[in-house]
Amino acid sequence: DTQMTQSPSSLSASVGDRVTIACRASQGISTYLNWYQHKPGKVPNLLIYAASRLQSGVPSRFSGSGSGTEFTLTISSLQPEDVATYYCQQSYSVSYTFGQGTKVEIK
Amino acid sequence: QVQLQESGPGLVKPSQTLSLACTVSGVSISSADYYWSWIRQSPGKGLEWLGYIYYIGSTYYNPSLKSRVVISLDTSKNQFSLNLSSVTATDTAVYYCASTVATRPRFDNWGQGTLVTVSS
Repeated sequence: DTQMTQSPSSLSASVGDRVTIACRASQGISTYLNWYQHKPGKVPNLLIYAASRLQSGVPSRFSGSGSGTEFTLTISSLQPEDVATYYCQQSYSVSYTFGQGTKVEIK
Repeated sequence: QVQLQESGPGLVKPSQTLSLACTVSGVSISSADYYWSWIRQSPGKGLEWLGYIYYIGSTYYNPSLKSRVVISLDTSKNQFSLNLSSVTATDTAVYYCASTVATRPRFDNWGQGTLVTVSS
């Protein structure tokens, strides 16, 4: 299995801050990397696919980068509605695996 | 637009089998364009992919659960189902069904999720 490791596990930032979440794969996965936002009581929402492509309807303050084993999700200007847990997920090999999540809070 | 809706018991006793169904609308479950998956989130934990089924009935399961998981299709009801055997309290979770377009490996459609509690 390909293991996905996110860092940090949680973070607290101010409204308007730039926020970066890292995701590392245990083996190379090219750009087969997706990012999801999961708010409590809601359904996970696809934000970024293929490492850097913005899903339709997602605000442009979200962006993704990386390839191989190192990936990053960036929120350029944190908004109150961005409070959620963010997950990376690899789709290079079945079984699909998620990172353990990064909880984002407002300071 | 693909829509998915989970259904099934919210309470299962330890050692029994957890059974859930996912009703699909907006597309035929017999379409070659989609894979149909189950994903769960245990309390305080992250997301865990359980497995998928393809229209021809081929399946792939998470190796950590492989011996306990069975996913099947019911084309007459346009549903796919999850059976998880020998459950324990650690199987308590919100269970989601989700779809993946065959040429676009990402979960872009999800059901609302259903909480299943394992308790006597």
